[in-house]
Amino acid sequence: RKEVEQDPGPFNVPEGATVAFNCTYSNSASQSFFWYRQDCRKEPKLLMSVYSSGNEDGRFTAQLNRASQYISLLIRDSKLSDSATYLCVSNTGGFKTIFGAGTRLFVKA
Amino acid sequence: GAGVSQSPSNKVTEKGKDVELRCDPISGHTALYWYRQSLGQGLEFLIYFQGNSAPDKSGLPSDRFSAERTGGSVSTLTIQRTQQEDSAVYLCASSMGLAGVLSTDTQYFGPGTRLTVL
Repeated sequence: RKEVEQDPGPFNVPEGATVAFNCTYSNSASQSFFWYRQDCRKEPKLLMSVYSSGNEDGRFTAQLNRASQYISLLIRDSKLSDSATYLCVSNTGGFKTIFGAGTRLFVKA
Repeated sequence: GAGVSQSPSNKVTEKGKDVELRCDPISGHTALYWYRQSLGQGLEFLIYFQGNSAPDKSGLPSDRFSAERTGGSVSTLTIQRTQQEDSAVYLCASSMGLAGVLSTDTQYFGPGTRLTVL
């Protein structure tokens, strides 16, 4: 079983839709969590960190559920420019950073 | 300011040849990471440097892979006797590397080196 698992998608949604991705992690010792965004043939870029209390950044909301060991990302009012692969990331402390394989999102006009 | 840079951007080599991939981290970043991403896959952690030291080399796929970092800056990932399964994008990232908060450090990625082994 992979340490960080994501639904690969693709998710195909119309502009303006709300879409949610879930990610599960297997290591209960995981301390920090992130969502990265990766455009086609580009490097990953940090989208947001995920805090226990949940956090929001504009149209993006991230939630952490430690009891069930999953992280979610909600995107409201989807834009064409949101089309990308979203990578779920966990860190078990120190440098050990584990990336999920990513969820592909296509937003259509 | 300048971000993480990697060279070459693309490398095509023949099976059995050695290749060297270079990473220039953001100035002042003490932590440096190497990852590998195969087509349609997530990032596979290879090795991490804090300064010039690599505390954990267990992510390197085989003894054909080695990495070094000099002067706490530039890093080189070397693959000897390349195989076709080594074909992937090799990504380098750097972070501030502050002690005690490494787990929450933001990693900044370079554009990667696309390696193709024929």
